[in-house]
Amino acid sequence: QKEVEQNSGPLSVPEGAIASLNCTYSDRGSQSFFWYRQYSGKSPELIMSIYSNGDKEDGRFTAQLNKASQYVSLLIRDSQPSDSATYLCAVKGSGAGSYQLTFGKGTKLSVIP
Amino acid sequence: ETGVTQSPTHLIKTRGQQVTLRCSSQSGHNTVSWYQQALGQGPQFIFQYYREEENGRGNFPPRFSGLQFPNYSSELNVNALELDDSALYLCASSFQGASETQYFGPGTRLLVL
Repeated sequence: QKEVEQNSGPLSVPEGAIASLNCTYSDRGSQSFFWYRQYSGKSPELIMSIYSNGDKEDGRFTAQLNKASQYVSLLIRDSQPSDSATYLCAVKGSGAGSYQLTFGKGTKLSVIP
Repeated sequence: ETGVTQSPTHLIKTRGQQVTLRCSSQSGHNTVSWYQQALGQGPQFIFQYYREEENGRGNFPPRFSGLQFPNYSSELNVNALELDDSALYLCASSFQGASETQYFGPGTRLLVL
């Protein structure tokens, strides 16, 4: 059973702070990793994708990947109240499962003004 | 906006009935994946369609079935509805090959009474 684990939160940070969201996965052969943001009552929206070890930056967002530790993280700098949402970590499987995304349960982030 | 559309947006059915949900993929995409998201959970993979054939299936019973049409749009059919089928049903489109990033539609919220 391929699993993706996230701390469900809620994670509360003050406006302007850095929010750090973490995710671990069980399928060592996974090659593609995604972070989605989901506002309450809405569908997931892609924020970042990462495929190689290291950091990938896009505006205020930085994704970090460590395949040896089977760990993915998302940093949100200068957090804004509009960042308040549930953040879903998704992993694309390997082998027979390479067509599907396996999601964690999500981490709920609250940015306090 | 991802360009992925779904209909209907909301639906109420009673136990034992059948339901059909529809999805139009983003222009240029040839693959459609369906996910079920229960309240407070991450999306769970149902199945994927590529070139009008089922390309992979998650741990869902046969009463969940689907179709993909030549224009790459897709249907999800659920027979003999159960109370636990109440969820947000998400369609995601992608282009087979390369990163295969999946982009989600707005979802259909199904309530089974």
